[in-house]
Amino acid sequence: GQNIDQPTEMTATEGAIVQINCTYQTSGFNGLFWYQQHAGEAPTFLSYNVLDGLEEKGRFSSFLSRSKGYSYLLLKELQMKDSASYLCAVRDDNAGNMLTFGGGTRLMVKP
Amino acid sequence: DSGVTQTPKHLITATGQRVTLRCSPRSGDLSVYWYQQSLDQGLQFLIQYYNGEERAKGNILERFSAQQFPDLHSELNLSSLELGDSALYFCASSPHLGTGSHTGELFFGEGSRLTVL
Repeated sequence: GQNIDQPTEMTATEGAIVQINCTYQTSGFNGLFWYQQHAGEAPTFLSYNVLDGLEEKGRFSSFLSRSKGYSYLLLKELQMKDSASYLCAVRDDNAGNMLTFGGGTRLMVKP
Repeated sequence: DSGVTQTPKHLITATGQRVTLRCSPRSGDLSVYWYQQSLDQGLQFLIQYYNGEERAKGNILERFSAQQFPDLHSELNLSSLELGDSALYFCASSPHLGTGSHTGELFFGEGSRLTVL
């Protein structure tokens, strides 16, 4: 099976930087994904890591360490519209290659 | 707009009833995934179909069933509904058997919000 852990809630200030961590345990790791989900809406794809290191995409970056089973999503220059849930998901070769999601981290951005 | 269409968007029904949720994947996508999201919970994988065949099963209750038709649309059937079945049900699609394009992402529909009273 798989175990994916991320904090339930985080709060940050507009303009600041926030790091959302995700740890996972899986037998056939084949990629880690971050999705953003606004309340009541569909999740939307943010980033993908399959090799160790940092992937940068505008204000968002995602880091992966496969040996540590660890990833983080870094959000810079926070905006109010970044208030949402951030879902960490792992793809497992031994689980039909579908994505298994963590419980999500609800980020609240304050003025 | 992800290109994945789900109907109905909202559904209110009573305990013991049966409902069918429908999903049309993105044009050309062969894989369809169903996820359940209860209030303030994460996405729970239910079932995956690829080109009409069931490929993976998650924590899907026996009261639930799904199928994918020759035109690749999919339906999720929920029967003997209970209060705890109230949730958002998401359908997602991807082109391949494995998840998605070169990145492996899933493309999610807007979801069907089911309320069981």
